Amino acid sequence: DAGVIQSPRHEVTEMGQEVTLRCKPISGHNSLFWYRQTMMRGLELLIYFNNNVPIDDSGMPEDRFSAKMPNASFSTLKIQPSEPRDSAVYFCASRSTGTLINIQYFGAGTRLSVL
Amino acid sequence: KQEVTQIPAALSVPEGENLVLNCSFTDSAIYNLQWFRQDPGKGLTSLLLIQSSQREQTSGRLNASLDKSSGRSTLYIAASQPGDSATYLCAVGNSGAGSYQLTFGKGTKLSVIP
Repeated sequence: DAGVIQSPRHEVTEMGQEVTLRCKPISGHNSLFWYRQTMMRGLELLIYFNNNVPIDDSGMPEDRFSAKMPNASFSTLKIQPSEPRDSAVYFCASRSTGTLINIQYFGAGTRLSVL
Repeated sequence: KQEVTQIPAALSVPEGENLVLNCSFTDSAIYNLQWFRQDPGKGLTSLLLIQSSQREQTSGRLNASLDKSSGRSTLYIAASQPGDSATYLCAVGNSGAGSYQLTFGKGTKLSVIP
């Protein structure tokens, strides 16, 4: 398996523009996570899906952020409108809840810069 | 709310030295604890996972210990190599209804000097 695949790897945009980040989880995994990593706050969970259903979105910073998982093999994180303070690395991770081992597998991340 | 602290934030050691990375957490009601490695520009790779009922886990030159009562975990790296240079993150898996949640420390950036 190719692992968790995120696109794009880098995104540079101007304030006010819409940004869409994409994630393909590992095949067979039924849980998906979106994280944001910054120097100041470290890694923070934004939203968690289980079986394509959002279970916990308490980490989504504000209404400008939205996430969808239309099927088991694809998820998006959208920021509209984007702001400079949204600049960070965004990670997607997936796991299988069918085992006792609670290991999450991370993608390589999308580095977002909002100018 | 669980808080995870890793000290020091950065560590530089000469090649061949044994070293210990520290992780502390505030709530001892955990499900498990994981150590991850993060290389620049890349995602996180799980190194070791310790279930709450376990005291330690070993993989090659790595050994992770867990002391729930004191809220501490250590990652021991034996005979360090330049290829071990990376940021190491500790993550606590919460128990109960939020067992999917991982609370991360900010990491220790390790540099192994040849």
